[in-house]
Amino acid sequence: ETGVTQTPRHLVMGMTNKKSLKCEQHLGHNAMYWYKQSAKKPLELMFVYNFKEQTENNSVPSRFSPECPNSSHLFLHLHTLQPEDSALYLCASSQVEGGAGTYNEQFFGPGTRLTVL
Amino acid sequence: DQQVKQNSPSLSVQEGRISILNCDYTNSMFDYFLWYKKYPAEGPTFLISISSIKDKNEDGRFTVFLNKSAKHLSLHIVPSQPGDSAVYFCAASARRKGSTLGRLYFGRGTQLTVWP
Repeated sequence: ETGVTQTPRHLVMGMTNKKSLKCEQHLGHNAMYWYKQSAKKPLELMFVYNFKEQTENNSVPSRFSPECPNSSHLFLHLHTLQPEDSALYLCASSQVEGGAGTYNEQFFGPGTRLTVL
Repeated sequence: DQQVKQNSPSLSVQEGRISILNCDYTNSMFDYFLWYKKYPAEGPTFLISISSIKDKNEDGRFTVFLNKSAKHLSLHIVPSQPGDSAVYFCAASARRKGSTLGRLYFGRGTQLTVWP
């Protein structure tokens, strides 16, 4: 596997279900991100992990719960979602360098298309 | 409040001609700009970037121009090819120490269609 992979590619779930999205990066990066892309909206940053520590939570509802067990893996746990949460969820990774924490280009996975019924 | 704006949702260009995609930003702290290309059912792929210390960066058929005074950047593709048909996202970040590092602010994207 190369680059950033995401599973599953498609997910349909009911509002009472619990599911998890998985992301794995094979680039040796030390920062990972979750984004949400809804129809006709810009990409919305959800969470940032830098060296496995969450450094940003962009006012995301608690029904989305991220987990970063190591610098290569990132999960997004989902529970009691709403139909408006249906979207494409993208994972990305990048390399943070230097004492100033300069972030380089982000590389994206193919995304998980989530439909909440 | 959207800090990166792509005001043209779509652009149609004939093969061989130049495609010019535009992007405007409002935050003067932004000092690093990127363009991503996205095909359907795939994640965005990094295309080209430019630092605010430059006003032009070229990579093959792709050139990005930055006008800091106007807070405007553009992506030129010449010659355009049918395989360039995709959604192009402009993104910006503030990489200087003391700013909100790491966060990319994206525009809504422009759908480019290159027809034969």
